[in-house]
Amino acid sequence: GESVGLHLPTLSVQEGDNSIINCAYSNSASDYFIWYKQESGKGPQFIIDIRSNMDKRQGQRVTVLLNKTVKHLSLQIAATQPGDSAVYFCAENWDSGAGSYQLTFGKGTKLSVIP
Amino acid sequence: EAGVVQSPRYKIIEKKQPVAFWCNPISGHNTLYWYRQNLGQGPELLIRYENEEAVDDSQLPKDRFSAERLKGVDSTLKIQPAELGDSAVYLCASSLKGSAEAFFGQGTRLTVV
Repeated sequence: GESVGLHLPTLSVQEGDNSIINCAYSNSASDYFIWYKQESGKGPQFIIDIRSNMDKRQGQRVTVLLNKTVKHLSLQIAATQPGDSAVYFCAENWDSGAGSYQLTFGKGTKLSVIP
Repeated sequence: EAGVVQSPRYKIIEKKQPVAFWCNPISGHNTLYWYRQNLGQGPELLIRYENEEAVDDSQLPKDRFSAERLKGVDSTLKIQPAELGDSAVYLCASSLKGSAEAFFGQGTRLTVV
């Protein structure tokens, strides 16, 4: 889909606090939902994904929650650290046939961690 | 193991000039993506390859953009002629067939003046 707006939503958190980043998605046929982290001057980096038949998945310091009823995805970062400062994107991934995945990004959220 | 490699990292050209970007995906990855990322926005897909076949190029402005993936490995994205609005970061990503996880390169930042 086409992105709208030039300004990313922002989130500022104190170091050590938990962060919650939210995302709304549009394609109910998506197989996977993925969170990417993008630091300045770098490409997006995979953080965690969740299959469409799950509602929660945990990684190291991160948890992704999926609510298919309202098409909502969230990323929770525990004990946020300065190194977590970046732009976070959610992405939808679906099998467009024979194991070929279509990957579409949503709007990002800029996370700033206050030391 | 090397990740996705893109070159150049930065490119400044005058409008109406041609420009090309190169991508070397992770070894063994069948799927290759080219994305364009405008400032403050998420990446937008330009073209997706499965091996050497372009399976989704619906978002590629075909009047000035072209891409190829000869032999199903490296890929080149070309713009001719470039316009001011083409200034953006061009990202390449690759993934294994059947895998939902895509790995991104560092991107090429294009500035058209």
